[in-house]
Amino acid sequence: AQRVTQPEKLLSVFKGAPVELKCNYSYSGSPELFWYVQYSRQRLQLLLRHISRESIKGFTADLNKGETSFHLKKPFAQEEDSAMYYCALSGNGGSQGNLIFGKGTKLSVKP
Amino acid sequence: DAGITQSPRHKVTETGTPVTLRCHQTENHRYMYWYRQDPGHGLRLIHYSYGVKDTDKGEVSDGYSVSRSKTEDFLLTLESATSSQTSVYFCASLPDRDTYEQYFGPGTRLTVT
Repeated sequence: AQRVTQPEKLLSVFKGAPVELKCNYSYSGSPELFWYVQYSRQRLQLLLRHISRESIKGFTADLNKGETSFHLKKPFAQEEDSAMYYCALSGNGGSQGNLIFGKGTKLSVKP
Repeated sequence: DAGITQSPRHKVTETGTPVTLRCHQTENHRYMYWYRQDPGHGLRLIHYSYGVKDTDKGEVSDGYSVSRSKTEDFLLTLESATSSQTSVYFCASLPDRDTYEQYFGPGTRLTVT
């Protein structure tokens, strides 16, 4: 079964501290993984995707097929990073662009 | 924001009444989706559409129906609302299935009393 697991509902760190939001997945085949973010009072939006191997707002995520993980990392958290983060997996073999989302992790960065 | 709007933005309704939520996009995106967002459950797919009059069920489709008579509009209907359908509903659209960059609407907060 296709599944995305985000084990932490809430992650609280201080400004300047490193951040790692965990994401594990279950998928038979070659998955495509994504991180979406929802800032307060804003729409859900794509943060980054594993294929592009890019760094957005200082965040990076590496797909580890051996550990079936796609953890989101940032070396120095900022207060503006406080948001809800969702890990997502391409579903249904990607035939209709469907995504399977994890339950989300709320990141709170304290001053 | 890919020109995606949802209406209404807030609605309170009584158990047993029919409710229709509208998603409208101006980007001529082929694919559209309806999700519900609940604490502890994240985003769950209700129904999706891969073209005009082409729709399919998602993970939590029971109690919901959809229609897409035009590219720009995707309607979600609760035939007989129940309290378990109290949620925030998000619509999304996708220009190209290979990118997976879904563009989300602002959400509709529905309360069923």
